[in-house]
Amino acid sequence: AQSVTQLGSHVSVSEGALVLLRCNYSSSVPPYLFWYVQYPNQGLQLLLKYTSAATLVKGINGFEAEFKKSETSFHLTKPSAHMSDAAEYFCAVTPRQGGKLIFGQGTELSVKP
Amino acid sequence: DVKVTQSSRYLVKRTGEKVFLECVQDMDHENMFWYRQDPGLGLRLIYFSYDVKMKEKGDIPEGYSVSREKKERFSLILESASTNQTSMYLCASSLLQGNTEAFFGQGTRLTVV
Repeated sequence: AQSVTQLGSHVSVSEGALVLLRCNYSSSVPPYLFWYVQYPNQGLQLLLKYTSAATLVKGINGFEAEFKKSETSFHLTKPSAHMSDAAEYFCAVTPRQGGKLIFGQGTELSVKP
Repeated sequence: DVKVTQSSRYLVKRTGEKVFLECVQDMDHENMFWYRQDPGLGLRLIYFSYDVKMKEKGDIPEGYSVSREKKERFSLILESASTNQTSMYLCASSLLQGNTEAFFGQGTRLTVV
């Protein structure tokens, strides 16, 4: 069965600092991978997705993620954090043939002024 | 504008009651999902449906059932609500192909007293 693990339930960075949120997946065949963001009191929205076209994926709001098959990872980064990036971030995986969309435990990002 | 609509934002029910949570999508999506979201646990999949009358159990189906009689509507049923089912419930939908974005409703905050 597929699974996804996010390392660190809380990450705190200073404004302007690098953001790195970690995600590792478990699957015998590389799945499709997603990052979603949830702002306070709002629903989830898609940040970016990996569907095998390119290993470095760019998303909205300056975020990007790199798929590394050898490390079974799909870490999310942003070069310079903004206060508005404070939110909860979820990594998710679904098999290539479609089916269940499975989420990680989430990482809450705090941005200090 | 694409939409996934959950029938209630907030619900308060008594222990032992039968509870129905309704979700409707207007995007002609094949896949529909029910998740519960709890702090520190992320989004956990309760049930998944990929077609009318078809369903698959997710990671935590115990105490829940689902119904999908029409393509656009996916209902979550708590046969006999218990206090440990107090949670935020999220509905989502997506196309059948795995590489497409899932769209989420705003969530239903259910409190069982």
